[in-house]
Amino acid sequence: DTGVSQDPRHKITKRGQNVTFRCDPISEHNRLYWYRQTLGQGPEFLTYFQNEAQLEKSRLLSDRFSAERPKGSFSTLEIQRTEQGDSAMYLCASSLIVGAYEQYFGPGTRLTVT
Amino acid sequence: AQSVTQLGSHVSVSEGALVLLRCNYSSSVPPYLFWYVQYPNQGLQLLLKYTSAATLVKGINGFEAEFKKSETSFHLTKPSAHMSDAAEYFCAVSENTGFQKLVFGTGTRLLVSP
Repeated sequence: DTGVSQDPRHKITKRGQNVTFRCDPISEHNRLYWYRQTLGQGPEFLTYFQNEAQLEKSRLLSDRFSAERPKGSFSTLEIQRTEQGDSAMYLCASSLIVGAYEQYFGPGTRLTVT
Repeated sequence: AQSVTQLGSHVSVSEGALVLLRCNYSSSVPPYLFWYVQYPNQGLQLLLKYTSAATLVKGINGFEAEFKKSETSFHLTKPSAHMSDAAEYFCAVSENTGFQKLVFGTGTRLLVSP
């Protein structure tokens, strides 16, 4: 068990460019979550997958954001036409459906939009 | 809607002193409660969780927390601070039904002086 991994760890992009992040959850975990954390704040929920189905999206997830989990394993989060306000740490977490319910977090992808 | 309030954005203690980080929650249904720790430029690591079993919960690294329903509190304590405890601490709440998204507080930065 290698834990949740995220790639890249850091991304610097110019405003208006598209970016894509990847998350690999713990292998037996059915649930996968994306959160966003801005400076000085706690993480905020963005979206959630159970297996390959995206079951919940936050109002924070504008039309420029899209997430997929095509085979119920890894997930991608794409941001189109990035804005400076998108600069944040994007965190991925995974959990089991039953049991202790704790979410295990990856190291995050820090996005800087210039 | 659920919410978490963490009193004190910064807490300073001396090495060896008691650590007390405060968390109050609001939830319309019985909650699950969590404390996570975040070191600089890293993801979140689970310290401990309350999931309606024992009200006094012991976690990793000598931390513990007590669930007090009457006070809607879940304060984090450690009898003796170590330098390595310096980090950001987040309290989070989730519903005990559904997909259990986490709602985080704004965090408390713990500073430990020699």
